Amino acid sequence: QLVQSGGGLVQPGGSLRISCEASGFTFSGYWMIWVRQAPGKGLEWVANINQDGSEKFYGDSVKGRFTISRDNTQNSLSLQMNSLRAEDTAVYYCAINLNWFEIWGQGTMVSVSS
Amino acid sequence: QSALTQPASVSGSLGQSITISCTGTSSDVGSYNLVSWYQHHPGKAPKLIIYEDNKRPSGVSNHFSGSKSGNTASLTISGLQAEDEADYHCCSYAGTSTYVFGTGTKVTVL
Repeated sequence: QLVQSGGGLVQPGGSLRISCEASGFTFSGYWMIWVRQAPGKGLEWVANINQDGSEKFYGDSVKGRFTISRDNTQNSLSLQMNSLRAEDTAVYYCAINLNWFEIWGQGTMVSVSS
Repeated sequence: QSALTQPASVSGSLGQSITISCTGTSSDVGSYNLVSWYQHHPGKAPKLIIYEDNKRPSGVSNHFSGSKSGNTASLTISGLQAEDEADYHCCSYAGTSTYVFGTGTKVTVL
């Protein structure tokens, strides 16, 4: 399963880090992904990372501001979010990436507002 | 990375069948057999119901089915049930380890 932590309220321009702890499977064997859903909107792909963290890919809306990372010794996935904007307000989900997403975290709310 | 196009809402009566479309381009939906569909109830994590265009994960009801023609994928819900009322999202692989989701469809059971 995937258990998320972090999130909360942050001012525009601020930073926040959210995490996702994996258990019950071989975390180091899978690509992982972050997906978000802004209020009233559809799901949006945010970022991907491969098994050893050497390959990372980002959606256009977060490129240059967000950084995905993982620690396979801690079975942990993270998303460092910098230069946050109001439009980054969303529920963020981590998931196992098999080119489809069957196992999801419970979601964590990130609100960007002054 | 433009979102795939889905109808904003679809409704149907109990027992009826409905179909949700998901239109992309030749760079995503039309290029890969990697369209997936998710059922999403408010406050919960999305649930995978279709992957690789038309495959159902273990445990997912066979009243969900997926298909694809060209740049448009479709999700059909046969024999609509009250618990099918939810948001539905499609997703396609778009090359170079990138993905694109649909705009989302709210299904209402009348």
